[in-house]
Formats: sequence, structure tokens, C-alpha cells
Amino acid sequence: SQQGEEDPQALSIQEGENATMNCSYKTSINNLQWYRQNSGRGLVHLILIRSNEREKHSGRLRVTLDTSKKSSSLLITASRAADTASYFCATDGENDMRFGAGTRLTVKP
Amino acid sequence: NAGVMQNPRHLVRRRGQEARLRCSPMKGHSHVYWYRQLPEEGLKFMVYLQKENIIDESGMPKERFSAEFPKEGPSILRIQQVVRGDSAAYFCASSPPQGRNSGNTIYFGEGSWLTVV
Repeated sequence: SQQGEEDPQALSIQEGENATMNCSYKTSINNLQWYRQNSGRGLVHLILIRSNEREKHSGRLRVTLDTSKKSSSLLITASRAADTASYFCATDGENDMRFGAGTRLTVKP
Repeated sequence: NAGVMQNPRHLVRRRGQEARLRCSPMKGHSHVYWYRQLPEEGLKFMVYLQKENIIDESGMPKERFSAEFPKEGPSILRIQQVVRGDSAAYFCASSPPQGRNSGNTIYFGEGSWLTVV
């Protein structure tokens, strides 16, 4: 069964605005990762945050993790049209990573 | 710097035929994972393999689906007697020898899109 669940399912914003996507999960984790998928393409790894970390930055990306609430958020600042994609969070399973259904982000120029 | 290579990228099969999807992991990676993605959905885990071993196939349907990762050559996901419901994108991912528990990222291929007509 899927572990992560992203919220919202779809998000539409104007270029330059910030986009925030949330992920909730059910069981304890060691790591949580965010991936991006452009339409018709594979998944590209964005950022990994470990369970003992609360916040992590990478360029225009900011990820937070709240293990007490079993939730994570991905913030994309100053969005660009090229950020249009689906974004997935993934958590550790015993032998695999479990993905949510994703948030479809549309950034309008 | 070759990443995870999957082929074919697109495959069309008639109902009842067999589909074979191939995956060559990144250089130095010995762990392979297969995922299936239905339209507008996330990725569903199917199977996790190391060379010559199936470690976890809990996500793979018991019938018609099989996977292997031989000592030499790519990993193969085989779907026999395909049905329309098998139409999906199949993604392969790989990770280094220490696998997932060390918190390594897994790297995805571009996927194989299977269409059953």
C-alpha cells in the first residue's frame, strides 16, 4: 500500500509565486525524499531529508519534516513555468520506497 | 554518465501477447526496483531484485508477471498474456550495493510505456 499522501492533488499558480506541497505518511521513517516527474518522463530526485532533520534547503527548494505529525512540506520559491510537473514524496519501506499519488503543479507564465 | 536505461520506451501489445521490459541499472548499482504507474497516479512498488535474487516481490501480481536480474545482462520484467489493465508506465530504479537502508537515493529510468490494444 502507498505510504505518502500528497496534498493538494493539484495546484495552479502564477510564475513568481511560491508553491507549497504537503505530504503525510503513516509509519516511522528513516528518510523522506521528494521527486519531480515531468509529463511522460521518469522521476528526478530533488531532495532527501533524514528523520533527525527538520529543514533542508536546495536552491529554490525548502523541505521541512515534522516526525511528530508524520508530515513533510516542499516549498518552491519564485516559481517558474519550468517547475510545472508532478511532485511526489517517498518514504522508506522495508525493501523499497513508497510513493504517494503526487501533486500536479502548474505554473502559468 | 549513463543513468538507468530502460527499453523499449514505448511498447504496444495485443491482448494475450507477451511484453518484455528491460532495465540496465546505473554503473556500479546491483539493486534494481520495478514500479508501475497508472495514469494520474503515483508509483506502485512491484519487485526488488539483486543480482540473481528476488528480494521482495510483494507488489507483483502472482500471475502472468515475473522479473529477473541475471548475473549478466539487464533486469527483465515479463508480462505474459497481457490484458488492457496492464497498460501503464513501468519504471525501473537502481541503487548502490548497500541498498536502501543506508538512506541512499534510488535513481529512476525514463520508463517503459506499455499499451495493450
